[in-house]
Amino acid sequence: KQEVTQIPAALSVPEGENLVLNCSFTDSAIYNLQWFRQDPGKGLTSLLLIQSSQREQTSGRLNASLDKSSGRSTLYIAASQPGDSATYLCAVRITSGTYKYIFGTGTRLKVLA
Amino acid sequence: DAGVIQSPRHEVTEMGQEVTLRCKPISGHDYLFWYRQTMMRGLELLIYFNNNVPIDDSGMPEDRFSAKMPNASFSTLKIQPSEPRDSAVYFCASAGGARNTEAFFGQGTRLTVV
Repeated sequence: KQEVTQIPAALSVPEGENLVLNCSFTDSAIYNLQWFRQDPGKGLTSLLLIQSSQREQTSGRLNASLDKSSGRSTLYIAASQPGDSATYLCAVRITSGTYKYIFGTGTRLKVLA
Repeated sequence: DAGVIQSPRHEVTEMGQEVTLRCKPISGHDYLFWYRQTMMRGLELLIYFNNNVPIDDSGMPEDRFSAKMPNASFSTLKIQPSEPRDSAVYFCASAGGARNTEAFFGQGTRLTVV
């Protein structure tokens, strides 16, 4: 059974710092991996999608990497800003005869001005 | 496209009442997912459809929950009778089948059962 874990659960950093959020999954048979952002009381906004054959994806100050063999993905945020404060969730889309998304537990990020 | 549209945004109901949540997926997406989010359990997949057919409903908590997708542009999640422990935010998401398509989420329905 696929399990997705995110570390740390919460993170507080001063503005301007570069930071790394981690996502681990137990079964490497994934279709793709997606990073989302969720603001309090809001829905999920897609940030980056990495296909299983890719190693990384970049969008602006965000860079996501994928190491399928070790069951890991990282989301790198450069030059963090207070507006980056949110909960970040990773989700793997599994393949084993099904195409559902399994979500991690989330990392709650606070960037201090 | 306006994205995934859910209604209502908020619902407050009394225990024992029937509740129906609605979702309109993104046009062209052939997968539709219903999730429930709580502080204790995070995001849980309840059920998902492919081409309007339910594929996996193993996450549906009990027989009080049912979901339908009568056509490619509409789905409902029904709870009958509702209980206070059903209080949560319910999200609908849609996605295509190709490897490089993202899942898009609606804004959610915040359900409170009193």
